[in-house]
Amino acid sequence: DGGITQSPKYLFRKEGQNVTLSCEQNLNHDAMYWYRQDPGQGLRLIYYSQIVNDFQKGDIAEGYSVSREKKESFPLTVTSAQKNPTAFYLCASSIGFRETSNQPQHFGDGTRLSIL
Amino acid sequence: SQQGEEDPQALSIQEGENATMNCSYKTSINNLQWYRQNSGRGLVHLILIRSNEREKHSGRLRVTLDTSKKSSSLLITASRAADTASYFCAFVNDYKLSFGAGTTVTVRA
Repeated sequence: DGGITQSPKYLFRKEGQNVTLSCEQNLNHDAMYWYRQDPGQGLRLIYYSQIVNDFQKGDIAEGYSVSREKKESFPLTVTSAQKNPTAFYLCASSIGFRETSNQPQHFGDGTRLSIL
Repeated sequence: SQQGEEDPQALSIQEGENATMNCSYKTSINNLQWYRQNSGRGLVHLILIRSNEREKHSGRLRVTLDTSKKSSSLLITASRAADTASYFCAFVNDYKLSFGAGTTVTVRA
């Protein structure tokens, strides 16, 4: 079955620690996205990647970093600079960035990050 | 990027009743999409309506779009317990999706 796999499902971060959230897709999609969801709120875009070896900042990129070395993988690192990292993180992909006008995004089941 | 506003924030209905939720936005859009999120899960795409369309159906779902009023509505007919979820509108602006805060729907058996 094609889809997006996020791991781990739950993650705890200690003070001053960087943590990395995994996102893998086997949909052969070019574009990938990371969103943050806080309780009772909609999704906010952290970073997106239109194609391999390319990525751009979204609306709330501070304290986060990404890489896109392979088409199927788009890991997100939450750095110690992110002072309020507790949230639900969602990864998504789409056929192509410019196809967003006509195609939906496909989402993983999220990683819930908490502070120890 | 701008976010939409959804109304109501929460909705509780009896099984078999219809559920209607609304979404408003502020700028011009390419299309508007609706997604469902079950508790603790990712979002699932429900329906996409383009800016030149006024109404679209998919099974028990009906979406309308009024670009003059910058608003959209999602109607779920003959609701079931499995429809209990949060529903989000998302509009495309500059190729990126902007999400509303969502409407939480509870369907009572």
